Amino acid sequence: NAGVTQTPKFRILKIGQSMTLQCTQDMNHNYMYWYRQDPGMGLKLIYYSVGAGITDKGEVPNGYNVSRSTTEDFPLRLELAAPSQTSVYFCASSYSSLAGGPTYNEQFFGPGTRLTVL
Amino acid sequence: KQEVTQIPAALSVPEGENLVLNCSFTDSAIYNLQWFRQDPGKGLTSLLLIQSSQREQTSGRLNASLDKSSGRSTLYIAASQPGDSATYLCAVLGAQKLVFGQGTRLTINP
Repeated sequence: NAGVTQTPKFRILKIGQSMTLQCTQDMNHNYMYWYRQDPGMGLKLIYYSVGAGITDKGEVPNGYNVSRSTTEDFPLRLELAAPSQTSVYFCASSYSSLAGGPTYNEQFFGPGTRLTVL
Repeated sequence: KQEVTQIPAALSVPEGENLVLNCSFTDSAIYNLQWFRQDPGKGLTSLLLIQSSQREQTSGRLNASLDKSSGRSTLYIAASQPGDSATYLCAVLGAQKLVFGQGTRLTINP
């Protein structure tokens, strides 16, 4: 299994440009997440999905959009890039079940995408 | 709002020492707590996961404890090695969202 893969690894954008960060997992996990990590800081949740067709906002969703049409893929869209979106973006996935009481298992992370907006 | 704090922000110890990293959280209504390792410029590697009903988990030289009532977790590293040098992050899961601390940057000196 490849686990969680992300593309691209690096990207430089100009202010106002748009791009999509790709994330794919091959572990048949139902939950997927997007985080950003600013220098010297912990990770902050941007958006998450509990299954195909279902997404919800995290702590810092402004300026981003997501979709989840399949179990495997969870792309993150940046519209009108701004310098404040310069960060490292991590995608993660996990399997969780609500049957018989909620069970949340460990999250697995991709290698990250380093984005610079100039 | 859940807040996670890791103290100290940085720690430097000589090789071979046993050490403890601390993590505290403000809301005890959590599903689990996860410890991660992050090497410079890399992604996160999961080290240990403690479910809310558990008190500790062990993996090799690592032992993590959880005290929900006091809002604390510790990561114990035995017989530290230079290869343990990294940033260690703790994160608590509540309401489907993982909240991270800012991490402790650990340096093991040969």
